[in-house]
Amino acid sequence: DTEVTQTPKHLVMGMTNKKSLKCEQHMGHRAMYWYKQKAKKPPELMFVYSYEKLSINESVPSRFSPECPNSSLLNLHLHALQPEDSALYLCASSPKDPSYEQYFGPGTRLTVT
Amino acid sequence: RKEVEQDPGPFNVPEGATVAFNCTYSNSASQSFFWYRQDCRKEPKLLMSVYSSGNEDGRFTAQLNRASQYISLLIRDSKLSDSATYLCVVNAGSGTYKYIFGTGTRLKVLA
Repeated sequence: DTEVTQTPKHLVMGMTNKKSLKCEQHMGHRAMYWYKQKAKKPPELMFVYSYEKLSINESVPSRFSPECPNSSLLNLHLHALQPEDSALYLCASSPKDPSYEQYFGPGTRLTVT
Repeated sequence: RKEVEQDPGPFNVPEGATVAFNCTYSNSASQSFFWYRQDCRKEPKLLMSVYSSGNEDGRFTAQLNRASQYISLLIRDSKLSDSATYLCVVNAGSGTYKYIFGTGTRLKVLA
């Protein structure tokens, strides 16, 4: 089973709201990722957790706050977002060896109003 | 120079045609290479990993040329369902979890 799940599928939030995106995998993968994808662009890496520790932060604004409660779960907490943050947010996971492929969840389509 | 470069297309080909995509990468330390396909408004899905010896999966063949730092994807007997964006993905180097995405090549297979 190569399934990564994400909730919610769609999210509309105002600029003063606080919301969270959730991601889950049960493949025993030890690396989990958040990507942001705008229309007609490739996914853009935001954060990587390996072994539940933040290993890569691609200079993401602090209004995005990741959290990895355990090896199967990954959250992205959102606060005071801007309309330009509207995008598809993709979660992915990969096995402990970084030479292996990533598996993506279906994404959360976020609209900031 | 971009880290991973692809021709954005679009490639418009008739059903049954053979089409080839190339991708070049700049980091000689990259060790792992992949092709993903992404349908409109969907997540990327792994099409195939690319190995040094080349590999084939049905109508799809991937090749790696380390000396010239490019990878290729060949699709034979194109189907309408092959219409998608094909993303070249390269691991940024040994031991890193950072993957670099190309901009993607759009393919449209025409009836």
